[in-house]
Amino acid sequence: EDKVVQSPLSLVVHEGDTVTLNCSYEVTNFRSLLWYKQEKKAPTFLFMLTSSGIEKKSGRLSSILDKKELSSILNITATQTGDSAIYLCAVDNYGQNFVFGPGTRLSVLP
Amino acid sequence: DTEVTQTPKHLVMGMTNKKSLKCEQHMGHRAMYWYKQKAKKPPELMFVYSYEKLSINESVPSRFSPECPNSSLLNLHLHALQPEDSALYLCASSQSPGPSGANVLTFGAGSRLTVL
Repeated sequence: EDKVVQSPLSLVVHEGDTVTLNCSYEVTNFRSLLWYKQEKKAPTFLFMLTSSGIEKKSGRLSSILDKKELSSILNITATQTGDSAIYLCAVDNYGQNFVFGPGTRLSVLP
Repeated sequence: DTEVTQTPKHLVMGMTNKKSLKCEQHMGHRAMYWYKQKAKKPPELMFVYSYEKLSINESVPSRFSPECPNSSLLNLHLHALQPEDSALYLCASSQSPGPSGANVLTFGAGSRLTVL
């Protein structure tokens, strides 16, 4: 059965800290890995990664995929209270479905 | 237009009521999804429509009945629900189901359902 695991499940940091969120996967057919940020309502799209070793960057957020290790990391530098959210990792397994991990709940304290 | 619109935002219903959740997208996406999300849990897939045909039903109880009237619309009909069905119901769409090209799931804002 396809599976996505995220760590840590929960993280509390202070503003200005840098955080690294981890996602690992076991799927029969891998097409892409996606990161989403979920605050109070719907998940919003952050990154899609398909190729190993190519970093995607958006402001203070960046992400990279390691297909050999079947994993990805999401980095957030100089965290702000507005970064407090659940960060979801999902894998597109070619099966018309996206397998979601449990999410990492990030709390950024002022 | 890069939005998925869901209505209503909030719904409270009794166990004997019949109600519907609606979802609309005008991005030309050919796959549409219903997910259920309980508090502090990831979204859980319920149904997938691919080119307006039901392609995945994740063993969802028959008190949830999906409908895809056309490529832009997706409904979820609710009847005789239980209190444990209270959750956030998320609609999503993606461009092309199946093996051609990488997809991004675009979510709607969700419908928060409370069953009394």
